[in-house]
Amino acid sequence: SQQGEEDPQALSIQEGENATMNCSYKTSINNLQWYRQNSGRGLVHLILIRSNEREKHSGRLRVTLDTSKKSSSLLITASRAADTASYFCATGYDYKLSFGAGTTVTVRA
Amino acid sequence: GAGVSQSPSNKVTEKGKDVELRCDPISGHTALYWYRQRLGQGLEFLIYFQGNSAPDKSGLPSDRFSAERTGESVSTLTIQRTQQEDSAVYLCASTDGTGGYNEQFFGPGTRLTVL
Repeated sequence: SQQGEEDPQALSIQEGENATMNCSYKTSINNLQWYRQNSGRGLVHLILIRSNEREKHSGRLRVTLDTSKKSSSLLITASRAADTASYFCATGYDYKLSFGAGTTVTVRA
Repeated sequence: GAGVSQSPSNKVTEKGKDVELRCDPISGHTALYWYRQRLGQGLEFLIYFQGNSAPDKSGLPSDRFSAERTGESVSTLTIQRTQQEDSAVYLCASTDGTGGYNEQFFGPGTRLTVL
C-alpha cells in the first residue's frame, strides 16, 4: 500500500515561477526521499531528508519535513522546462521505501 | 560507471503467455528491489533481495509472479500466464546499503503490455 500522498496531483506553472508540492504520510519513518520521473520510466533520486532534519537544500530544490504533522514539502525555485516531470515522495523505514502516487508538474515556456 | 539496466525495454505479449524480465544492478550493490507501476500511479513494492538472505516476497500480487537473484548479481522477474491487469512498467532498483535508509538507483524499466 502507498504510504505517502502527494498534493496537488497536477501542477502547471510558467517558466521561472516556483513549484511547491506536498507529501503527507501516516506511519513512522527513518527518512523521506523525493524522486523525479520523466516520461514514465526510471526514477531519479533528488534529495533525502532524515527524520531528525527539518530542512534541506540541493541546488534549486528545498525540502522541509515536519514529523509532528507527518508532512513534507518540495519547492523547486526558478523552474525550467526541463523540470517538467512527475515527482514522487517516498518514505523510508527499515529496508523499504513506500511511494506516493506523485505530482505531475508541467512547466510552460 | 554503469547504472542499473533492465531488459527488454518493452515487451508485448499475449494473455496466458509467460514473460521474463531482467535486471542488472550496479556492481557491488547488495540490495535489489522490484516495483510495479501502473499507468498514472505510484510504485508498488514487489520483492526485495539483500545479499544471500531470504528475499522479502510480501509484495508479489499472486503466485504467478516469482523472482530470482543469484548472489549480488542479475535478477529475473517471471510472470506466468500473464493477464491484462499485469500490464504496467516494471522497475528495478539497487542500493549499496539498506534501501529504506539510502537512495535507490533505478533502471529505466520494462514496459509490459498484455494483449
